[in-house]
Amino acid sequence: EAGVAQSPRYKIIEKRQSVAFWCNPISGHATLYWYQQILGQGPKLLIQFQNNGVVDDSQLPKDRFSAERLKGVDSTLKIQPAKLEDSAVYLCASSFFDRDYEQYFGPGTRLTVT
Amino acid sequence: AQSVAQPEDQVNVAEGNPLTVKCTYSVSGNPYLFWYVQYPNRGLQFLLKYITGDNLVKGSYGFEAEFNKSQTSFHLKKPSALVSDSALYFCAVRDQGSYIPTFGRGTSLIVHP
Repeated sequence: EAGVAQSPRYKIIEKRQSVAFWCNPISGHATLYWYQQILGQGPKLLIQFQNNGVVDDSQLPKDRFSAERLKGVDSTLKIQPAKLEDSAVYLCASSFFDRDYEQYFGPGTRLTVT
Repeated sequence: AQSVAQPEDQVNVAEGNPLTVKCTYSVSGNPYLFWYVQYPNRGLQFLLKYITGDNLVKGSYGFEAEFNKSQTSFHLKKPSALVSDSALYFCAVRDQGSYIPTFGRGTSLIVHP
């Protein structure tokens, strides 16, 4: 079974630039999550999708972050414009809709903002 | 508000010895509790969960955890550690009525040969 795919794996940008991350969840997983993991901290949930609808985005900084999952499968997370404090690993995870306690994580995208 | 504390940044144990990684939590309602493991250069992997029922939960790779409501703890245990268990371990909690899990800062487990 293929796992959660993310790209790119690494990205370096300057502050005020924009960046986008892509995630392909495990086949059949209706629920998709984006997390931000700052060095030395645990993952923080940014947004949760059920199919192509948003379940929770209360922790997403909406002035600069946006996410979409148009066809209920792949998802993209965008930051525009980036700030230095956005430097982190961005993790995508997926789960069956009725087993959201068992999430499968991708390898993450390490973002460095200079 | 919900929170998780992992009081130890690092736990060192000799191979073959029992290991414990500590976790305490705070939620307003009933907790859902989880443990995840992160190996170097790999994504987080689900280890085990407590939702309801038996307080002793068994998970992957021989790990288990005990839910203690009075002490608000959910410590991860294994009877005999392996060098390959060396990794970063995260405890997480979610209030039953919330979609948002809160992760701890992680505990680095180092198992010495």
